[in-house]
Parts: sequence; structure tokens; C-alpha cells
Amino acid sequence: EVQLVQSGGGLVQPGGSLRLSCVASGYTFGDLYMDWVRQAPGKGLEWLGLIRKKRDGYTAEYAASVKGRFIMSRDDSENSLYLQMHSLKPEDTAVYYCARDSRGSPDDYWGQGTLVTVS
Amino acid sequence: DIQMTQSPSSLSASVGDRVTITCRASQGIRSDLAWYQQKPGKAPKRLIYSTSNLQSGVPSRFSGSGSGTEFTLTISSLQPEDFATYYCLQHNSFPWTFGQGTKVDIK
Repeated sequence: EVQLVQSGGGLVQPGGSLRLSCVASGYTFGDLYMDWVRQAPGKGLEWLGLIRKKRDGYTAEYAASVKGRFIMSRDDSENSLYLQMHSLKPEDTAVYYCARDSRGSPDDYWGQGTLVTVS
Repeated sequence: DIQMTQSPSSLSASVGDRVTITCRASQGIRSDLAWYQQKPGKAPKRLIYSTSNLQSGVPSRFSGSGSGTEFTLTISSLQPEDFATYYCLQHNSFPWTFGQGTKVDIK
């Protein structure tokens, strides 16, 4: 069974940093791209970025709202995805989701979400 | 960035109704569009990928169509479990962008 289990959310002051983790199981993690998506309280979904697999250089793409402040990385040996967040702002307050990417978009497997509160 | 304009933003419908949600892209995105369903407090669930391909396990009452700039999600006969918020996502060019969502509630 495919599972994505997230950890690392919490309360952080403006200007602070936080790292989110997402551990995958039930499939070959290194074979697929991974995405991060967030949802501010009461708002819609916002795509944050994507990290490619090893064969495609582990390169990443970011939304303008987080580019230069957030860094995505992955450790295929640990089946883990990370989102390092710096210079956090109150508007970064949201539930953050990791998602597996297949057939060109986040597929049916998402993490449970983790709340980040910047205040 | 490509803007995705989803309409309507909300709708009220009855069980058994046919429901259509539209997403319009600010520029052509070929068929690079997915549809998601989200229920309160839950992660989104992909219904459709590449405009018209039904995600495994998704009931056949859901269908997607379109190309270029205009896309639709249709629910042929609304069921009680379909009351949720629906989002489109363009994955043609970075940054990928979601529509603002359509909340479907009970009439």
C-alpha cells in the first residue's frame, strides 16, 4: 500500500525556518517526481514546486511565492522528501502537502498534510 | 504565469443532477490538465489526468473533456459522496497553477 507520511510542521516566528519531511512507502520512491502543495486556512490549493528524480538530475521547479526561500530535496535511500523553508512570513501559514507525481501531475497519493503557522 | 479561471465558484445541486464545472486557461495548455476533489480536512484526490483520463478507482460518472484553453469536468449523476470542492490544475508550464475551486453543495 502506498503511503506518504509527513512530519515537521508547527509554530514558527516570522523570519524563521522550518523543515518538513515526507516519507514514502509502498512503491519505488526514486522512480517518480514529487510535489509540494499548500492550502492556507479557508483558501484554495497552491502548487509550490516539484523535484525530479535522479535520472533527471534531481532538479526542482518552484512557484514564485516561495522561490529563493524554500528548497526541495530528496533522499532516495531513505525514501524521503524534504521542504526546507526559510524567511517564513505570516502568509506562509498553511497546511502543506507532499504528493507523488505520476502521469504528469500529483496523483492519488498525498501526505496527510502538516500545518505550518507563522506568527 | 498561466491563470486558471474556474467557474462557477460554487453551485448547489441535488442528488442525480448533472453537474459541469469549467476551467479556462489564460493560454493554451494542450491537454495538460488534471481535476481534483477535496473534502473538508482531507488531502485532494485526483479524479482525471491529462484532461480526460479517469484515475483508477474513480467512478465512471466523472468525466473530463476539452483542449487548449477550455476544459470541463462533468459529473453525470451527482451522488451524496460527491459534495466537495473541485479544483483544476494545469501542468503544462511552470509554475503549475490551480483554479480557485468550485464548491458543490446540497440544494
